[in-house]
Amino acid sequence: ETGVTQSPTHLIKTRGQQVTLRCSSQSGHNTVSWYQQALGQGPQFIFQYYREEENGRGNFPPRFSGLQFPNYSSELNVNALELDDSALYLCASSKGVGSLSTDTQYFGPGTRLTVL
Amino acid sequence: QQQVKQSPQSLIVQKGGISIINCAYENTAFDYFPWYQQFPGKGPALLIAIRPDVSEKKEGRFTISFNKSAKQFSLHIMDSQPGDSATYFCAARSGGSYIPTFGRGTSLIVHP
Repeated sequence: ETGVTQSPTHLIKTRGQQVTLRCSSQSGHNTVSWYQQALGQGPQFIFQYYREEENGRGNFPPRFSGLQFPNYSSELNVNALELDDSALYLCASSKGVGSLSTDTQYFGPGTRLTVL
Repeated sequence: QQQVKQSPQSLIVQKGGISIINCAYENTAFDYFPWYQQFPGKGPALLIAIRPDVSEKKEGRFTISFNKSAKQFSLHIMDSQPGDSATYFCAARSGGSYIPTFGRGTSLIVHP
């Protein structure tokens, strides 16, 4: 059983640029959630994808968007990067959603994004 | 508005001591309370979790105490070890959203 993987590990961008982060979910998991973790803070929920559709969204602007692919891997796209977007971006996979969801989310190691 | 408040922000404990981290929540719809452990350069990993129908859950050296009326829950790490040095996050999730809300984290350092 493979765990959750994310790429790249680190990324440096400048303000105004666009970035794409990638996540491969754990084997057998069909739900992917993305979180933003600022330095010294807990993870903040961005959105969740289930079977290639967005299943919930946190308090993030539309320039944060995502995709889920048929193999349940996922991308997080951020347009018009701002300095405050600098953070660790975490992907977590789980099985099912709502009343069918499992309790445990398995997190990847994250992508450290720095916006200059 | 922070729905889950965690304290202390940092904690230093001697090896063999007891580490205690506290969390308080506001939303009475929360029905699942996990604790996560995060090492530097790693994502959070589920450590232990509790539902409000029990007041305590123990797994090895880790114990969650839950007080539903006070809307508080805490993590106790008995016989703390240097390998326990990490950041700990409490979280809460409601049956409606199934999306966890995290506390701000506690940085634990266990001195040998």
